[in-house]
Amino acid sequence: GDSVTQMEGPVTLSEEAFLTINCTYTATGYPSLFWYVQYPGEGLQLLLKATKADDKGSNKGFEATYRKETTSFHLEKGSVQVSDSAVYFCALKRSGAGSYQLTFGKGTKLSVIP
Amino acid sequence: NAGVTQTPKFQVLKTGQSMTLQCAQDMNHEYMSWYRQDPGMGLRLIHYSVGAGITDQGEVPNGYNVSRSTTEDFPLRLLSAAPSQTSVYFCASSGSIGTGTGELFFGEGSRLTVL
Repeated sequence: GDSVTQMEGPVTLSEEAFLTINCTYTATGYPSLFWYVQYPGEGLQLLLKATKADDKGSNKGFEATYRKETTSFHLEKGSVQVSDSAVYFCALKRSGAGSYQLTFGKGTKLSVIP
Repeated sequence: NAGVTQTPKFQVLKTGQSMTLQCAQDMNHEYMSWYRQDPGMGLRLIHYSVGAGITDQGEVPNGYNVSRSTTEDFPLRLLSAAPSQTSVYFCASSGSIGTGTGELFFGEGSRLTVL
């Protein structure tokens, strides 16, 4: 079945440091890939997405590129802020009509210290 | 903008009790779903619905019941609560999940403790 593997946290960085959170997936065909973010005490919200190979999703300074050859969708940000402290989830949705389920990774908690 | 609204936010139950978690959305989304979030497990799909009168099981459906009588509402029922159902529950809806973009809109969550 489909699966998503994220690097385990927690990850602690100083403000303005470079961030990478690794995500790899297993799925048949060409799934859509997502990063969701969960701020403390809140539900998840979509951060960025990519729907086909070599697409780059970007939002709020975060980027991720859909790499079909390595089945990866790593999240990066050049300079993190304290406000980026949250849990980040990588997810996939299988392509094709009738596909209604998202498969989530276990989440990576990021703490950014001043 | 209300979006997805869940109630209650917190609940404590005793083993064997039943309860219903409420979920309502005002975005006219056809798709609604329930996830549970447990430490180290990420989010796991319990049940989902692609429209009024249509429901289906997700990854972890045992011990839960759902129905969808309207587009707006998708309640989750715990029939006989067990300590293993202690978790944070999220309701999520989507207007595009069948078309490939797949963005889910989440509620703020309901924290359930079963003693």
